[in-house]
Amino acid sequence: GEDVEQSLFLSVREGDSSVINCTYTDSSSTYLYWYKQEPGAGLQLLTYIFSNMDMKQDQRLTVLLNKKDKHLSLRIADTQTGDSAIYFCAESPSGGYNKLIFGAGTRLAVHP
Amino acid sequence: ETGVTQSPTHLIKTRGQQVTLRCSSQSGHNTVSWYQQALGQGPQFIFQYYREEENGRGNFPPRFSGLQFPNYSSELNVNALELDDSALYLCASRSNGQGVYNEQFFGPGTRLTVL
Repeated sequence: GEDVEQSLFLSVREGDSSVINCTYTDSSSTYLYWYKQEPGAGLQLLTYIFSNMDMKQDQRLTVLLNKKDKHLSLRIADTQTGDSAIYFCAESPSGGYNKLIFGAGTRLAVHP
Repeated sequence: ETGVTQSPTHLIKTRGQQVTLRCSSQSGHNTVSWYQQALGQGPQFIFQYYREEENGRGNFPPRFSGLQFPNYSSELNVNALELDDSALYLCASRSNGQGVYNEQFFGPGTRLTVL
């Protein structure tokens, strides 16, 4: 089946690292994604990882993929108040005409 | 290059009515997808259009229908509205075959409230 699960809420102090976790079910997904949604805005693609990679780093963002456990994580270094948003993990199953399957989202709150 | 735009921003309807939501794709994009995002949930795939034909559909009933026009703008139509149709409706466009990581560009959404 198709299902993506995430923890719903994370609170961190400004300057600390944030780690948002996700599990997915479809091992056929070629790419896995992290999207960010701010209030009143659409979804913004933050980063993605190809399924044959274990890790991808992009400035303050680090994505880790454990394909055996179908576990994906997003680490944000030096978290800032501007990082406060909802973060969605998404998979794109092969043969699924590129539809995205999203988790319910993790609300990240950054406090001073 | 303009991004994906959607209209209207907000809409209030009553049960049983019909609604049409509009999306203007990003320039050069020939594929559009629609998603429904209920409050506190992630977006759910409704359907996708490519070259004016529906080529993929999620678990939504036939009263959800769509159109894509030659200029790649599109519409989402919902008939016989139900209270559970209240949600943020997101449109996403991409260029089929471009971008190996299949990046889809999302509009800001239309907030539909059904009373």
